[in-house]
Amino acid sequence: EPEVTQTPSHQVTQMGQEVILRCVPISNHLYFYWYRQILGQKVEFLVSFYNNEISEKSEIFDDQFSVERPDGSNFTLKIRSTKLEDSAMYFCASLPVGRAYEQYFGPGTRLTVT
Amino acid sequence: GQQLNQSPQSMFIQEGEDVSMNCTSSSIFNTWLWYKQDPGEGPVLLIALYKAGELTSNGRLTAQFGITRKDSFLNISASIPSDVGIYFCAGRPNTGNQFYFGTGTSLTVIP
Repeated sequence: EPEVTQTPSHQVTQMGQEVILRCVPISNHLYFYWYRQILGQKVEFLVSFYNNEISEKSEIFDDQFSVERPDGSNFTLKIRSTKLEDSAMYFCASLPVGRAYEQYFGPGTRLTVT
Repeated sequence: GQQLNQSPQSMFIQEGEDVSMNCTSSSIFNTWLWYKQDPGEGPVLLIALYKAGELTSNGRLTAQFGITRKDSFLNISASIPSDVGIYFCAGRPNTGNQFYFGTGTSLTVIP
């Protein structure tokens, strides 16, 4: 069964550094999402992406964040200048055609900012 | 943002017991999803609901879309140890494709 994959599984970075988190959505999916989950808390929406542009974004998704689909398969989240409070699990999700609201999540990237 | 409250926050039950949990919102949602999350992993979709009053099953799991469209319920029958995890509801309002997640219910099944 196709799966959403994410790399790396764990990223440690110093405050102020840029990080890029990568996702490979399921191949025939059209909507892509990034979510964040701070340890022990609920999953929070960051951004949705459709037709090569941002569809919606939350108040968390400020100018430090950007998303890109550089080729036909990868979907990336960039944090330009990481802060300590960016430490969290970051999940990518994608939606299939015709069943637009059944999101499938990747395994996540644990980001630790020191 | 939207607030989705789940209850109970945590449950400790004996293997074989049935489980009920719910999710409530102050706003109307058009779609409800239920997910299970194991430690260190991404949420796994269990059930999707699209219509008020809809009742949908997936094995031992049954979920309902509340008729007010402001709540949803998840039941697990005859719990087993592998049911352990955190269960999240997620709702999508009438406009847009943003999903809002609940606060989670942590389930522990005692063999």
